[in-house]
Amino acid sequence: NAGVMQNPRHLVRRRGQEARLRCSPMKGHSHVYWYRQLPEEGLKFMVYLQKENIIDESGMPKERFSAEFPKEGPSILRIQQVVRGDSAAYFCASSPGAIATSQPQHFGDGTRLSIL
Amino acid sequence: AQTVTQSQPEMSVQEAETVTLSCTYDTSENNYYLFWYKQPPSRQMILVIRQEAYKQQNATENRFSVNFQKAAKSFSLKISDSQLGDTAMYFCAFRANSGYALNFGKGTSLLVTP
Repeated sequence: NAGVMQNPRHLVRRRGQEARLRCSPMKGHSHVYWYRQLPEEGLKFMVYLQKENIIDESGMPKERFSAEFPKEGPSILRIQQVVRGDSAAYFCASSPGAIATSQPQHFGDGTRLSIL
Repeated sequence: AQTVTQSQPEMSVQEAETVTLSCTYDTSENNYYLFWYKQPPSRQMILVIRQEAYKQQNATENRFSVNFQKAAKSFSLKISDSQLGDTAMYFCAFRANSGYALNFGKGTSLLVTP
């Protein structure tokens, strides 16, 4: 009964490169959320996706960041032309149902992105 | 917008003792959920306990319990019989019933000492 799987656990990129972070939700979960944790901070919501749909991307920077959750395969958070300020831990969470549900979000172990 | 405040950046407690972590929040919503998450040095985010705002009874999970004061918008976490493995960052989080995004506080770093 696997939990939320994120890979890679650690990702190192040089400035200007692209970073791709993957998230496979728990079995039976069709709702995925991405959060970013900067050093010494709590998690900040970035984007909420259901299969093939972005429901809310209000927390995601308008430029360089994109997210998808295709019909088949994991959810992908993509950061183009990375900069030092993108260094953070990126967490994915999933839940089985829609809003107005008491089901908690289950988190993956996160991807630590380091920009050289 | 909802804000979550954790006023204790760091706390320490001796093994087997009891410690209380504080959390306050600000919202105009009437129906919502509150959570405590634990983040050990391994950086996982582990759900410790949750509370539905419409429930008056405080949630309890083994050694973890909450003191939920809806009128005061306060949601403290009590850890009884502290264990070394409780050493971690603890985050309080809020989610409106009408929404889905979790709003986190900045966390409290708890150190349990022998």
